[in-house]
Amino acid sequence: QVQLVESGGGVVQPGRSLRLSCAASGFTFSDFGMHWVRQAPGKGLEWVAVIGYDGGKKYYADSVKGRFSVSRDNSMNTLYLQMNSVRAEDTAIYYCAKSYLVAAILGSWGQGTLVTVSS
Amino acid sequence: DVVMTQTPLSSPVTLGQSASISCRSSQSLVHSDGNTFLSWFQQRPGQPPRLLIYKISNRFSGVPDRFSGSGAGTDFTLKISRVEAEDVAVYYCMQATHFPHTFGQGTKLEIK
Repeated sequence: QVQLVESGGGVVQPGRSLRLSCAASGFTFSDFGMHWVRQAPGKGLEWVAVIGYDGGKKYYADSVKGRFSVSRDNSMNTLYLQMNSVRAEDTAIYYCAKSYLVAAILGSWGQGTLVTVSS
Repeated sequence: DVVMTQTPLSSPVTLGQSASISCRSSQSLVHSDGNTFLSWFQQRPGQPPRLLIYKISNRFSGVPDRFSGSGAGTDFTLKISRVEAEDVAVYYCMQATHFPHTFGQGTKLEIK
């Protein structure tokens, strides 16, 4: 079955960088668009970014545009989120999600990885 | 950006009764391809979100038929029939017709 395992979270200082990974298994990774969604502690869900099945199309939330970059390695079945110039407000659990049928449907989610931005 | 407004934000319900959650978007969610990409998610405490309903009214794999979605354009509803204890969760609507995609604030379903 579909399995998504996020990693790379931790404590990072404001202004620094961090790269999150999402290891996928149980499906043909290169056939599906992938999303990142985050959730600040005790808050609601915020969509972050999406990347097309071949990495050709990428879209971002305004709050991360120009600072975060989504990419994928289809040979390694892995999704990435490069987070640069992080801010306190980026503190959140980051989930990766696999699309279902089309990229606009978030069908399966990982357990998430916690990023804490703090000095 | 498209603003998604859910009501109520909290919904106490008796076991076995029904609950309805409304989701209103600030603009039409009809995509240029004719689809309406409005989804509903359930998030139980300490768990990641789980897709319940996609494209307004389609139940995702494994979702009980007690969950149903309806609506069109800018107004959408999630109905939970015969509420069970396992339905205690926060429910979110999400639009993916427009970029950036956006979620509602969430509705907390509680048992009376």
